[in-house]
Amino acid sequence: AQKITQTQPGMFVQEKEAVTLDCTYDTSDPSYGLFWYKQPSSGEMIFLIYQGSYDQQNATEGRYSLNFQKARKSANLVISASQLGDSAMYFCAMREGLDNQGGKLIFGQGTELSVKP
Amino acid sequence: DAGITQSPRHKVTETGTPVTLRCHQTENHRYMYWYRQDPGHGLRLIHYSYGVKDTDKGEVSDGYSVSRSKTEDFLLTLESATSSQTSVYFCAISESGGRSYEQYFGPGTRLTVT
Repeated sequence: AQKITQTQPGMFVQEKEAVTLDCTYDTSDPSYGLFWYKQPSSGEMIFLIYQGSYDQQNATEGRYSLNFQKARKSANLVISASQLGDSAMYFCAMREGLDNQGGKLIFGQGTELSVKP
Repeated sequence: DAGITQSPRHKVTETGTPVTLRCHQTENHRYMYWYRQDPGHGLRLIHYSYGVKDTDKGEVSDGYSVSRSKTEDFLLTLESATSSQTSVYFCAISESGGRSYEQYFGPGTRLTVT
């Protein structure tokens, strides 16, 4: 069964340092997508980055990069040069397959990141 | 920002009463989803829609029903609310192509069942 695991309930990072948030997944489908979302204390869900299972290169979006290790089934989020505004809950999510029923997502339990000044 | 609104944003209701949450989009996206968010569980899919009048169950569909009579509206109904349905409910939309079904989320509805 498909599953997403985030093993770090909470993390601290010093402002301007880089931080890695862990995500492992389990699926038997060769075609899947991996997403990271940010949820600040205000509650909205903000899309950060996407990685497709067939993508040859790791995805990057500004200060966000996804360290995709397919053989290890991991999709860690790396935030470079942390800012105070990065303090939030971060969710890893997976979509299996590609069909006409759209992209149902399975979410991990989240990691709460706190950035210290 | 994607044009997604949810109403109401906050609601307190009593056990046993029916409740309907509304999701409205202005993006003309084909796919719409309802999730609930509870501490320790992340977001879990309740129901989703892949077109007008086309819906299907998600992971936690018991006690919920949905309807989609227009592309822009997706309704979630709790037929008889229970305390276990106290949660934050998120609507999301997506379209094929682009970043492979990337989902955009609404602002959420906080529902309390007393």
